[in-house]
Amino acid sequence: DIQMTQSPSSLSASVGDRVTITCRASQGISNYLAWFQQKPGKAPKSLIYAASSLQSGVPSKFSGSGSGTDFTLTISSLQPEDFATYYCQQYNSYPWTFGQGTKVEIK
Amino acid sequence: QVQLVQSGAEVKKPGASVKVSCKASGYTFTSYDINWVRQATGQGLEWMGWMNPNSGNTGYAQKFQGRVTMTRNTSISTAYMELSSLRSEDTAVYYCARGRVINHWGQGTLVTVSS
Repeated sequence: DIQMTQSPSSLSASVGDRVTITCRASQGISNYLAWFQQKPGKAPKSLIYAASSLQSGVPSKFSGSGSGTDFTLTISSLQPEDFATYYCQQYNSYPWTFGQGTKVEIK
Repeated sequence: QVQLVQSGAEVKKPGASVKVSCKASGYTFTSYDINWVRQATGQGLEWMGWMNPNSGNTGYAQKFQGRVTMTRNTSISTAYMELSSLRSEDTAVYYCARGRVINHWGQGTLVTVSS
């Protein structure tokens, strides 16, 4: 199975900050990577697919990059509604696997 | 708009089975795979498997092989996930999610396994 490792596991940031989350795959996955946002008690929300393509309706403050084994999710200017847990997921090969999550908290 | 509406919370005893439904609307049900993902309290997301609603073909994570069955009823645009031989570690919220590239999620179904 492909292991997905996110860093950091958590971070504290202020409104307006630029935030970057990293996701590393244990083997190459081309660009078959998605990012999800989850708020407490809610279902995940799809943000990005194919490493850098925004899902419909997702604001452009979210961006993704990377290919192969190393990927990043960037939030350009953190807003109160962005405080949540973020997960990466590979869909290059079954079984699909998720990173352990990165919790973004208010500083 | 695309919606995936799941069945309500369940409480089961160890050893029992649970069947969760996921009713799709707003798109052609047979055009997109359905995945099932679970999340134990305070934990991360765990992919369980997928089903092609058109063919009925399925693929399961090794961890759940022999205990999980994913089916569908195309006449009512509904997917099902049945998990058997339940144990306390299966207590979790179970989500259905649309697409090989997941882009829509159900609201989740809490399954509690307790004696």
